[in-house]
Amino acid sequence: KQEVTQIPAALSVPEGENLVLNCSFTDSAIYNLQWFRQDPGKGLTSLLLIQSSQREQTSGRLNASLDKSSGRSTLYIAASQPGDSATYLCAPEGGEKLTFGTGTRLTIIP
Amino acid sequence: DGGITQSPKYLFRKEGQNVTLSCEQNLNHDAMYWYRQDPGQGLRLIYYSQIVNDFQKGDIAEGYSVSREKKESFPLTVTSAQKNPTAFYLCASSIARAEAFFGQGTRLTVV
Repeated sequence: KQEVTQIPAALSVPEGENLVLNCSFTDSAIYNLQWFRQDPGKGLTSLLLIQSSQREQTSGRLNASLDKSSGRSTLYIAASQPGDSATYLCAPEGGEKLTFGTGTRLTIIP
Repeated sequence: DGGITQSPKYLFRKEGQNVTLSCEQNLNHDAMYWYRQDPGQGLRLIYYSQIVNDFQKGDIAEGYSVSREKKESFPLTVTSAQKNPTAFYLCASSIARAEAFFGQGTRLTVV
């Protein structure tokens, strides 16, 4: 059974800093991995999708990497802004479904 | 606007009552999913459907039922057999092995 761990559980950084969020998963037999953000009381917003054959995916200030063999993915956020404050979730897809970790709650301090 | 619509946004259930949560998508996606989210826990899969008239149990299906009569719709019924239904419910859809999109959620509370 796939298990997903996200470290740290919470992170507070001053505005403007670059930061890295970590995601590890136990079953490397995945098709892809998706990163989402969730604002309080809201649904999930898709940020990036990395196919299993890819190593990296970029969108604006966000860069996600995937090392399938070691069961790890990272989300890099450059030049953080207060609007980046949210919970970030990673979800590898395998066996027709996504499996989620508990997320990293990110707070950007103005 | 293409997307996933969940309704209602808030729902209150009395003890012993069945309630149905609606999920509609106009993205022409084959796959649809229901997840439950509790405070401090990750999303847990309740049911999913890869095609019309077919669906599979997820990790926590007990006390829930679904139907998939139309490609666009995947309603979730929370039955009286679900002993702790208070939670945030999220519906998602995708094309197989591609990007998944989520609705805005329904918050269910037992009163």
